[in-house]
Amino acid sequence: QVQLQESGPGLVKPSETLSLTCTVSGGSIYSYYWSWIRQPPGKGLEWIGEVYYSGSTNYNPSLKSRVTISLDTSKNQFSLKLTSVSAADTAIYYCARDTSFQHWGQGTLVTVSS
Amino acid sequence: DIQMTQSPSSLSASVGDRVTITCRASQGIYNYVAWFQHKPGKAPKPLIYSASSLQSGVPSKFGGSGSGTDFTLIISSLQPEDFAIYYCQQYYSYPLTFGGGTKVEIK
Repeated sequence: QVQLQESGPGLVKPSETLSLTCTVSGGSIYSYYWSWIRQPPGKGLEWIGEVYYSGSTNYNPSLKSRVTISLDTSKNQFSLKLTSVSAADTAIYYCARDTSFQHWGQGTLVTVSS
Repeated sequence: DIQMTQSPSSLSASVGDRVTITCRASQGIYNYVAWFQHKPGKAPKPLIYSASSLQSGVPSKFGGSGSGTDFTLIISSLQPEDFAIYYCQQYYSYPLTFGGGTKVEIK
């Protein structure tokens, strides 16, 4: 059974870059789409973007200017970088597999605060 | 962007009730819809994909239907463990989008 686990700092200062990694175990990172999704406190789910195993990406236009998602096949990991963060980027960040999100990580809370 | 409008936004129901949640897409999306159950502090749990296909291990009390713009999630007999927030999601086109959620509470 494939498992996903997010990791990274839980606190980021305003204007800095949020960086998270998702480690995939129990399955290969090849032949799938890998997404980042977030949920701000008290709000719904927002898709951030995805990377395909080939390295091609799709991003939510609302975040596209600040987002980079990349893949490290040698480590079975993919990563999220979100630049110029503000308090509005405080959220639980999830990684997930497939465009229908059939597998999810447990999520990690990232707080943007000085 | 395709908007996914869920209704109701919340509902109160009793154990044993049949619950229906609807999701309307702003344009036709064939059957590219998934449904999720979300409990606090946990990852969303996939329930349904392709509008009506049950995810492996999900009990048959959950059912999905619809195509085009109108979709439905039914819980046939609500149990205590089913109280949660439910989301629909379209994966027909980018950006991938979710409905606003339906909170199912105990009456």
